[in-house]
Amino acid sequence: DAGVIQSPRHEVTEMGQEVTLRCKPISGHNSLFWYRQTMMRGLELLIYFNNNVPIDDSGMPEDRFSAKMPNASFSTLKIQPSEPRDSAVYFCASSSGTGPNQPQHFGDGTRLSIL
Amino acid sequence: GQQVMQIPQYQHVQEGEDFTTYCNSSTTLSNIQWYKQRPGGHPVFLIQLVKSGEVKKQKRLTFQFGEAKKNSSLHITATQTTDVGTYFCPYASGGSYIPTFGRGTSLIVHP
Repeated sequence: DAGVIQSPRHEVTEMGQEVTLRCKPISGHNSLFWYRQTMMRGLELLIYFNNNVPIDDSGMPEDRFSAKMPNASFSTLKIQPSEPRDSAVYFCASSSGTGPNQPQHFGDGTRLSIL
Repeated sequence: GQQVMQIPQYQHVQEGEDFTTYCNSSTTLSNIQWYKQRPGGHPVFLIQLVKSGEVKKQKRLTFQFGEAKKNSSLHITATQTTDVGTYFCPYASGGSYIPTFGRGTSLIVHP
């Protein structure tokens, strides 16, 4: 079975550029999560979707960050404009069942470096 | 608001020694999950505890949920280098579950 697929695996870009991270959840999973991981802050939840609808985006740091889930098999996290402090590993995770209180399956992450 | 503290933040052990990490909450938890993240990898779900006083084992790993459902622990017997990684305990409380992973506990095993 294919797990959660994220792309790209690595991204290096200059500050001010737009960055788009992509995620394909496990087929049949109806919850999707975006996380950011840094040494300082650990693993932080950015946004949670259920049945393609954003349920909680209180973790999104600021207006430069936006996330969409146009269908059950695809989600994007966009940063525009990017800043050096956005450098981190971004994980996407999905889970099945009702509500977010189910085991989550993580993708391999996108390692983002903003110069 | 609810706070869950995971301790210790780091732990160095010699291979063969035991290891325990704790999660302590200021409020009653609906359930608690445990994940492991290897260096350079992604978090992997290990187990979920739901019942008061629940104890579950996975080979050398023992997971406990406190009687008051306010704390949980993960104990590893006779650590091996394959146990190296960061262990997280995201939790649920009440009707809302916004998973909080935080920094977890990083285990370093010296051969």
